[in-house]
Amino acid sequence: IAGITQAPTSQILAAGRRMTLRCTQDMRHNAMYWYRQDLGLGLRLIHYSNTAGTTGKGEVPDGYSVSRANTDDFPLTLASAVPSQTSVYFCASSDSTREDTGELFFGEGSRLTVL
Amino acid sequence: GQNIDQPTEMTATEGAIVQINCTYQTSGFNGLFWYQQHAGEAPTFLSYNVLDGLEEKGRFSSFLSRSKGYSYLLLKELQMKDSASYLCAAIDSNYQLIWGAGTKLIIKP
Repeated sequence: IAGITQAPTSQILAAGRRMTLRCTQDMRHNAMYWYRQDLGLGLRLIHYSNTAGTTGKGEVPDGYSVSRANTDDFPLTLASAVPSQTSVYFCASSDSTREDTGELFFGEGSRLTVL
Repeated sequence: GQNIDQPTEMTATEGAIVQINCTYQTSGFNGLFWYQQHAGEAPTFLSYNVLDGLEEKGRFSSFLSRSKGYSYLLLKELQMKDSASYLCAAIDSNYQLIWGAGTKLIIKP
């Protein structure tokens, strides 16, 4: 089934630990995105990538890093997790560049709790 | 600053009609999306408006007034499965998506 796969679906980790959230899509979409969703707030863009080999910062990039080695994969890394990074993280993709925003296809989300 | 306003929660009855409003204040405007998100699930695309007027898609319609900075999502013949959050998102002049916090719609029998 085509779509976006995120892993893990849920994780609890201690503050200060390093964590990578994985995201893979099989739709051959150019653009990929990482959002966080917190109660009472709209989705906030962390990082994005218009195409393989390029990445850009979104609205809330501090404490996070990404890489885009190929079209399909877009991992998000928390170098040293802090409790304020407790959130639900959504990976998304679209068949367009960010400058021509099209419909977004979202993964099922990764619920992260930092203690 | 940029802002999207939509009601936090609404309640409606199965079989009825409900209108979810969204007002936006953005630096420039290049379109508006509506997404549906069931609890614990991913958002899914419902509609996109860039020109003034009504876009109809089955039981769901979306309206845009650029001069008023206003949009609404109209859901007809409500079904229990329509219980979800509805997210409004506007595209600013830099093609950045500005998301509202979502409207939780509760459908009662």
